[in-house]
Amino acid sequence: EAGVTQSPTHLIKTRGQQATLRCSPISGHTSVYWYQQALGLGLQFLLWYDEGEERNRGNFPPRFSGRQFPNYSSELNVNALELEDSALYLCASSLVPGTDTQYFGPGTRLTVL
Amino acid sequence: TQLLEQSPQFLSIQEGENLTVYCNSSSVFSSLQWYRQEPGEGPVLLVTVVTGGEVKKLKRLTFQFGDARKDSSLHITAAQTGDTGLYLCAGGGGAQKLVFGQGTRLTINP
Repeated sequence: EAGVTQSPTHLIKTRGQQATLRCSPISGHTSVYWYQQALGLGLQFLLWYDEGEERNRGNFPPRFSGRQFPNYSSELNVNALELEDSALYLCASSLVPGTDTQYFGPGTRLTVL
Repeated sequence: TQLLEQSPQFLSIQEGENLTVYCNSSSVFSSLQWYRQEPGEGPVLLVTVVTGGEVKKLKRLTFQFGDARKDSSLHITAAQTGDTGLYLCAGGGGAQKLVFGQGTRLTINP
């Protein structure tokens, strides 16, 4: 069974640009979660999507947004990139919506220059 | 705000030794997860504990959830070089988000 997949692996942008990150959950999982792992800050919860709806949001500005598609894959968009947005962005999925048992993908390393 | 504190932050020991990593909070969690993360990769789920006092074993790894569901520990017996990595605890933070500790970077020397 394939795990959570994310693309691209690496993404380099300049300040002010927009970044789009993609995630495909484990087959059969309907919930997708996004986390940011910045150097020295640990993993911070960003967003939770289930059945195409945003269910919960972490303490991040509105320029962090996303959506979930009918096939349960998800997209994270970061607008007006700032240097401090440089981080590893991790996507996770769960079989039971909203469960604490979440399975992570390999992440997208975003670098903002 | 729910916080999880892990200790120690860094641990370097010789192969064959035993070690314990702690994860503490003043908040009660509905569950506690332990993950291991390799450089450049996503965290891999090791175990989920949900009942106060629960103990789970995974080969040489023993996980315990505190009676009050505010803390947890990970004990590794006879550490091997393959155990090297970043160990993260995460608590069920309500509203379906996980609250992560800062992690323990473990190095097992041959």
